[in-house]
Amino acid sequence: GAGVSQSPSNKVTEKGKDVELRCDPISGHTALYWYRQRLGQGLEFLIYFQGNSAPDKSGLPSDRFSAERTGESVSTLTIQRTQQEDSAVYLCACQRVPNTGELFFGEGSRLTVL
Amino acid sequence: AQTVTQSQPEMSVQEAETVTLSCTYDTSESNYYLFWYKQPPSRQMILVIRQEAYKQQNATENRFSVNFQKAAKSFSLKISDSQLGDTAMYFCAFMKPRSQGGSEKLVFGKGTKLTVNP
Repeated sequence: GAGVSQSPSNKVTEKGKDVELRCDPISGHTALYWYRQRLGQGLEFLIYFQGNSAPDKSGLPSDRFSAERTGESVSTLTIQRTQQEDSAVYLCACQRVPNTGELFFGEGSRLTVL
Repeated sequence: AQTVTQSQPEMSVQEAETVTLSCTYDTSESNYYLFWYKQPPSRQMILVIRQEAYKQQNATENRFSVNFQKAAKSFSLKISDSQLGDTAMYFCAFMKPRSQGGSEKLVFGKGTKLTVNP
């Protein structure tokens, strides 16, 4: 596609439920990032995929968070047993050229946990 | 660990005027990249400008320029001839690329909300 596509755009869920967020990156962009943006805060790194290398999961805040990516295509971020503090915008970004830091972001998925 | 600090939570400027947004960072590295990203109300972040630490010349992109002071670990963004469309959150970010032994994670500051007034 022309840009990074994320779904759902908005998700409201009850505490304790599982949610799955999807990211469809730009074709040919080998690197993919997930970031979390809490209200009024900067971006918090969650996880990074680069080609077939092992993902960098160092930013995942707890074992309730996991992410997968199939090859160089779609990625899903799963949050199990959601808590109110998980409420945030989850941003996906991809990078066409490695080592440049020039990221292309999606519009994000806004998660609200009641 | 690297940290990025943006000390101005909010700023405003009149249309056509010039505004400077501040950013400082803390690192022991010598080779790295610095960025300014813009996040308009529509939420989609876009790259404004990028600076490589080994380059002494300040990066420029049209109306946007930076003042990179490596010794002071300062990286400010100057927006000239401000336009209404410049209204957005601006985030400063740091990255040590994998080719330099880093992780390619971008570390972001908390952002500065810029409002351009007509």
